[in-house]
Amino acid sequence: DAKTTQPTSMDCAEGRAANLPCNHSTISGNEYVYWYRQIHSQGPQYIIHGLKNNETNEMASLIITEDRKSSTLILPHATLRDTAVYYCIVRTAYSTLTFGKGTMLLVSP
Amino acid sequence: EAGVAQSPRYKIIEKRQSVAFWCNPISGHATLYWYQQILGQGPKLLIQFQNNGVVDDSQLPKDRFSAERLKGVDSTLKIQPAKLEDSAVYLCASSLGVGQTNEKLFFGSGTQLSVL
Repeated sequence: DAKTTQPTSMDCAEGRAANLPCNHSTISGNEYVYWYRQIHSQGPQYIIHGLKNNETNEMASLIITEDRKSSTLILPHATLRDTAVYYCIVRTAYSTLTFGKGTMLLVSP
Repeated sequence: EAGVAQSPRYKIIEKRQSVAFWCNPISGHATLYWYQQILGQGPKLLIQFQNNGVVDDSQLPKDRFSAERLKGVDSTLKIQPAKLEDSAVYLCASSLGVGQTNEKLFFGSGTQLSVL
């Protein structure tokens, strides 16, 4: 599976949009971009995934660049409860979910 | 819908003792995973079951770790004997199946193991 690169940490003010970047320059044509997050003392939680097109659900939006070498997870109106570690993962439909260290997002009042 | 259930929530043992963790996946989920998460790191896959068969156990330290999923439903992960470096959170996850493009994993809250 392609490797991903994420910033170690990010800050965001409550109510503002949180934009979390992810680089995956070696992504293959059959690999999807997945995002999970892990709130303290909980297991990881699925957020969203995509292949080529931008995706949106009730939790977030996923923007994938045209060359698919990078993506951005957008939380449109961050709340204190969005403070968590966010993992960007690239995988095929058949490969296992492999986690890196992720980005620690701290949402402040 | 009930989530993935794990027990116990916390466990403290001394090195060389044995310990077992239990997981009950979401009803109808064919695939079950055990992950180990050491403090400050992302979860690492230990073993993956499809129904009651093992799909991937390449990262399971088989000299001390064992896992089973009898009847293709709940699962037990055992460590015997435990080492200090086994201190971690053990996460269980389940999903509908393998190879689906919208495959999502659902995780339990984990068992926090401390080996003294």
